[in-house]
Amino acid sequence: EDQVTQSPEALRLQEGESSSLNCSYTVSGLRGLFWYRQDPGKGPEFLFTLYSAGEEKEKERLKATLTKKESFLHITAPKPEDSATYLCAVQGTTSGTYKYIFGTGTRLKVLA
Amino acid sequence: GAGVSQSPRYKVTKRGQDVALRCDPISGHVSLYWYRQALGQGPEFLTYFNYEAQQDKSGLPNDRFSAERPEGSISTLTIQRTEQRDSAMYRCASSLAGTSNEQFFGPGTRLTVL
Repeated sequence: EDQVTQSPEALRLQEGESSSLNCSYTVSGLRGLFWYRQDPGKGPEFLFTLYSAGEEKEKERLKATLTKKESFLHITAPKPEDSATYLCAVQGTTSGTYKYIFGTGTRLKVLA
Repeated sequence: GAGVSQSPRYKVTKRGQDVALRCDPISGHVSLYWYRQALGQGPEFLTYFNYEAQQDKSGLPNDRFSAERPEGSISTLTIQRTEQRDSAMYRCASSLAGTSNEQFFGPGTRLTVL
């Protein structure tokens, strides 16, 4: 069964203190791995899609990387506005379905 | 429209009543997904559609839950004989197509069953 585990559950950083969030996954054939950002009271907002091991994508202070077992979301010199819950999701090839499996998220708090 | 819309935003109902939650996807989006999200958790897959066809309903908790998308656009998630354990945020998302495309999420419907 496809599964996604995110760690840590919560993370507090000082402004400018770089760190990484982890997403470990088990999937029978990966179609794509997705990172979303979710602010309180709002729906998830798309950040990145990664398709194969070795792929990397960047957007402002965020960089996502992918291996065959996990993905990392690196946050460089974070700012308070980066505070949010970061969600990871996978889409596998099991039974031909296109459903997405989400992790429980990492709650990031960046202190000024 | 500008984005995915859902209605109502909040729904309070009594145990045993039926509720219908509506999702209006982004125009032209082929795929539509329904999720349930508990506080502090990620979205939990319920079902999805490509056009009007329900492709996967494996996440629906039991036969009190059903969904339809009769014209391939607006979708309705119906919960019959609601129970307190059905209380949650129900989110809808749409994408251009089902394969590895980004999903755009709506604001959700907060359902409270008394």
